[in-house]
Amino acid sequence: QLQLQESGPGLVKPSETLSLICIVSDDSIRSSNHYWGWLRQPPGKGLEWIGSINYSGTTYYNPSLSSRVTISVDRSKNQLSLNLTSVTAAETSVYYCARHRRLLWFGDSQQGDSWGQGTLVTVSA
Amino acid sequence: EIVMTQSPAIVSVSPGERATLSCRASQSVFNNVAWYQQKPGQAPRLLIYAASTRAAGIPARFSGSGSGTEFTLTITSLQSEDFAVYHCQQYHNPRDLTFGGGTKVDVK
Repeated sequence: QLQLQESGPGLVKPSETLSLICIVSDDSIRSSNHYWGWLRQPPGKGLEWIGSINYSGTTYYNPSLSSRVTISVDRSKNQLSLNLTSVTAAETSVYYCARHRRLLWFGDSQQGDSWGQGTLVTVSA
Repeated sequence: EIVMTQSPAIVSVSPGERATLSCRASQSVFNNVAWYQQKPGQAPRLLIYAASTRAAGIPARFSGSGSGTEFTLTITSLQSEDFAVYHCQQYHNPRDLTFGGGTKVDVK
């Protein structure tokens, strides 16, 4: 069964760049059937879609974050990356990576969707 | 941006009773709404898409309804494993997917 594992610094200073990777346990990142996305959730709050990337490398970003976010895929390493520049304390969140069949909803097991377990990133000096 | 507003923030329900959760969109999203269940320390689990279609493996006690700007998730005969946070999400604009703030269902 597919596993996604987020990793990266748990603490980032304000105004710096948040960088995370998501390790994909199989070779599906090399296929054309899915999108690969990032979402986040501040403690005790709702979810926010950050953006997604498809097989051809086309990226789709949350308009409110698009000037600061970069999502990329390294197929040779089976990993997905997120870079978010100029972060603030308000962006302290659990960050999730996800594989999703459609650029619509997430976690459709019939379509092979999957989530990582999430990683907490705290933005603080 | 389409804003999704969920109410109430917290609903207290006894096991075996019905819970009704609401989600309102700031503009019409037709039936392009999904619902998720999230338990502490876990990623969300897809329950409903297209406003009323249950995802694979979701029990029939979960049902969704609504269209346009008003949506409802109903959980009949609440089980112990149903106490969780529930999120709605619109995908009418797939270039700007947005979620509600969540409703917590806790034990009365």
